[in-house]
Amino acid sequence: AQKVTQAQTEISVVEKEDVTLDCVYETRDTTYYLFWYKQPPSGELVFLIRRNSFDEQNEISGRYSWNFQKSTSSFNFTITASQVVDSAVYFCALSFNDYKLSFGAGTTVTVRA
Amino acid sequence: NAGVMQNPRHLVRRRGQEARLRCSPVKGHSHVYWYRQLPEEGLKFMVYLQKENIIDESGMPKERFSAEFPKEGPSILRIQQVVRGDSAAYFCASSRDGNEKLFFGSGTQLSVL
Repeated sequence: AQKVTQAQTEISVVEKEDVTLDCVYETRDTTYYLFWYKQPPSGELVFLIRRNSFDEQNEISGRYSWNFQKSTSSFNFTITASQVVDSAVYFCALSFNDYKLSFGAGTTVTVRA
Repeated sequence: NAGVMQNPRHLVRRRGQEARLRCSPVKGHSHVYWYRQLPEEGLKFMVYLQKENIIDESGMPKERFSAEFPKEGPSILRIQQVVRGDSAAYFCASSRDGNEKLFFGSGTQLSVL
């Protein structure tokens, strides 16, 4: 069975602060994929990143960065210098293929001006 | 280019009625996926369809739920004789083929009175 835990239900920060979202996963598969999605107030899920289990390199994309640590089964996401537009629900997900994703419950991020 | 279009955004039904949720995938995508998000939970996979075929329905409840993706027209998720426990947000996603990232729609919020 696959399970994703996002222990932080809500995070509130002031603009320009950094915010880190935790994601811990459980799986027996040796090959798997990890994802992050953003759900802004408009409702659609926006794809942010997909990593496979063999690639533990950290990744940076603009103000977003991801820290994948297989030893602790974690795939944490950091937003640097947060902006109001970053306010959204963020979902971490796990899959052994590309379509049957197991999502965490999500973390609501509120960035205050 | 239009993304995944779902309608209606909100659907209210009384217990025992039928609910029909529509999903038009991204133009050129022939793979469609349905997910359900119950309150306070992450999204859960329901079914994967390719034009006129059901590829994986392992997440679909055994009774009252059905899905189709006809050769022409949108994909339809149909829930017969709805009950209060069916109240949830239903998300549709699409991909060009089965090995690409999923593009999600904004979801249909179903409320059963």
